Amino acid sequence: GQNIDQPTEMTATEGAIVQINCTYQTSGFNGLFWYQQHAGEAPTFLSYNVLDGLEEKGRFSSFLSRSKGYSYLLLKELQMKDSASYLCAVRPYGGYQKVTFGTGTKLQVIP
Amino acid sequence: SAVISQKPSRDICQRGTSLTIQCQVDSQVTMMFWYRQQPGQSLTLIATANQGSEATYESGFVIDKFPISRPNLTFSTLTVSNMSPEDSSIYLCSVRGVAGVTDTQYFGPGTRLTVL
Repeated sequence: GQNIDQPTEMTATEGAIVQINCTYQTSGFNGLFWYQQHAGEAPTFLSYNVLDGLEEKGRFSSFLSRSKGYSYLLLKELQMKDSASYLCAVRPYGGYQKVTFGTGTKLQVIP
Repeated sequence: SAVISQKPSRDICQRGTSLTIQCQVDSQVTMMFWYRQQPGQSLTLIATANQGSEATYESGFVIDKFPISRPNLTFSTLTVSNMSPEDSSIYLCSVRGVAGVTDTQYFGPGTRLTVL
């Protein structure tokens, strides 16, 4: 099975940079997702990392280290609209590859 | 990406009744899933909807309570049967394998269910 850990809550200031960490333990690994979910809305796809390293998409970047079972989501130039929950999810290798979600990190951006 | 719609978007139901939620995708997808998200919690996978065969259910979920259909590559339904207040939740359809891109997984807008 999979075990995924993320901080429950984080607070950061508008304009700043925040890093949301995710650690995982899995019996087989294919890739790791990050999703953004605003309150009362469905999750929105942000990134999918398969290989080690950093992938950048505008203000958002995602990093993966498979050997360490570790990922982070980096948000730059924070805006008030970035206040949301950020979900880390792992897709295992093999089988029908169901994705397992972490409990999510609730990020509050303050002025 | 795919455009995913769900009906209804929300409903308030009486205990003991059943509700069927529909999920429609604007393109063929390889895999379709149903998730539940209870207030303040993360997503829990209910089952994988298999085209033309019985769904694959996760531990704690059974076909009698959550019957699922998937008649083709773009449509699925989830029924919540004999509802109780504990079934109050958001139910989300999710798809993977859009336009040959096998990895990315997208979510529908969700159905917010309240059981009285």
